[in-house]
Amino acid sequence: AQKITQTQPGMFVQEKEAVTLDCTYDTSDPSYGLFWYKQPSSGEMIFLIYQGSYDQQNATEGRYSLNFQKARKSANLVISASQLGDSAMYFCAMRGANQAGTALIFGKGTTLSVSS
Amino acid sequence: EAGVAQSPRYKIIEKRQSVAFWCNPISGHATLYWYQQILGQGPKLLIQFQNNGVVDDSQLPKDRFSAERLKGVDSTLKIQPAKLEDSAVYLCASSRDRSSSGNTIYFGEGSWLTVV
Repeated sequence: AQKITQTQPGMFVQEKEAVTLDCTYDTSDPSYGLFWYKQPSSGEMIFLIYQGSYDQQNATEGRYSLNFQKARKSANLVISASQLGDSAMYFCAMRGANQAGTALIFGKGTTLSVSS
Repeated sequence: EAGVAQSPRYKIIEKRQSVAFWCNPISGHATLYWYQQILGQGPKLLIQFQNNGVVDDSQLPKDRFSAERLKGVDSTLKIQPAKLEDSAVYLCASSRDRSSSGNTIYFGEGSWLTVV
């Protein structure tokens, strides 16, 4: 069975600092995708970044980068130069390729608070 | 490109009443998902459609929840009768198809349900 673990309930950072949000996963599928979503208090799930299991390089999208360590089964999100607008809930999620459903499986999330 | 549309945005009902949520996915997206997100937790898949067929409804409480996607486009999720523990955000999402783990899943703003 697939599983996503996020062990940090909350993280606090000051503006302009970098922050790393941890995510570990478990799967027996050789092909899978890892995603990070941001959920502000408004409730919408906003897609941030994607990493494929066969990708050789770590994914980057603007201030977001994914530190993918396949052997350790970790996919940590790094946000550089934090901004006040980054305060939100962040979810790590995984999607398999061989299951019939291939829906996203989510972790419990990490609340990020950015202060000035 | 328009995003995933959901309505109503907020709903308050008494227990044992019924409620229906509507979702219109991104144009051209064959796969549609309904997720339930209880406060403080990650979203949990309720049902997944591929066009107008059900791919995965293993976690849908079928004694009270039902969903349909009759013409392979928009979808309705119904709860009847509602229980207090159904209070949650109901997120609709869509993706181009389910064949690749890399296809991004896009979410709507969610329908917030409070059962009193």
